[in-house]
Amino acid sequence: QTVVTQEPSLTVSPGGTVTLTCASSTGAVTRSSYPNWFQQKPGRAPRALIYNTDNRYSWTPARFSGSLLGGRAALTLSGVQPEDEAEYYCLLSFGGSWVFGGGTELTVL
Amino acid sequence: QVQLQESGPGVVKPSETLSLTCTVSGDSLSNNYWTWIRQPPGKGLEWIGYIFYRGSTSYNPSLKSRVSMSVDTSKKQFSLKMRSVTAADTAVYYCARGRGFYEAADSWGQGTLVIVSA
Repeated sequence: QTVVTQEPSLTVSPGGTVTLTCASSTGAVTRSSYPNWFQQKPGRAPRALIYNTDNRYSWTPARFSGSLLGGRAALTLSGVQPEDEAEYYCLLSFGGSWVFGGGTELTVL
Repeated sequence: QVQLQESGPGVVKPSETLSLTCTVSGDSLSNNYWTWIRQPPGKGLEWIGYIFYRGSTSYNPSLKSRVSMSVDTSKKQFSLKMRSVTAADTAVYYCARGRGFYEAADSWGQGTLVIVSA
């Protein structure tokens, strides 16, 4: 069974930069894994941030960027705002089905 | 702007079938992948599967034997059935719209809590 791994938790200072990563148990994550990223705040439905590795939605702030980094998918937040404190999930494609990572709890402190 | 709304029983007995419907407004069902995702209380997200508007499906391998999905384009609804449920299936169930094989879920419903309990 494919496992997708994220950092369980990260802490960043307001105005700082942080990178969240997403690894696959099957090997390097590539563009063919079509990484998607989601943000979820307590009690709310998740909100899509990034699709197909590095594409933002119209509602995604420019401080969020997606990339591939060292065989992993990555989500970088630059100039972090207090409202960015949330759980972040990556989602990878495996031959037509999708697998979520376990999520990263991002604390802004 | 597309909106999705889940509906169905909030409580299901163990060994019975969970049935949920998602009603779509603001978009047609055409050319999209209509997706179900769940989240057990206090845990992470789990992709259940999708149904393409023409009826083809893809399911999570770990749930495939118990899950089926259907779509009714005339009613702008799609549905999830999960058989033989146990307490482990207690979760918030979300429906979502996928725009393609590279874009899994751009718009989500608010979610509905389903509790499996006798």
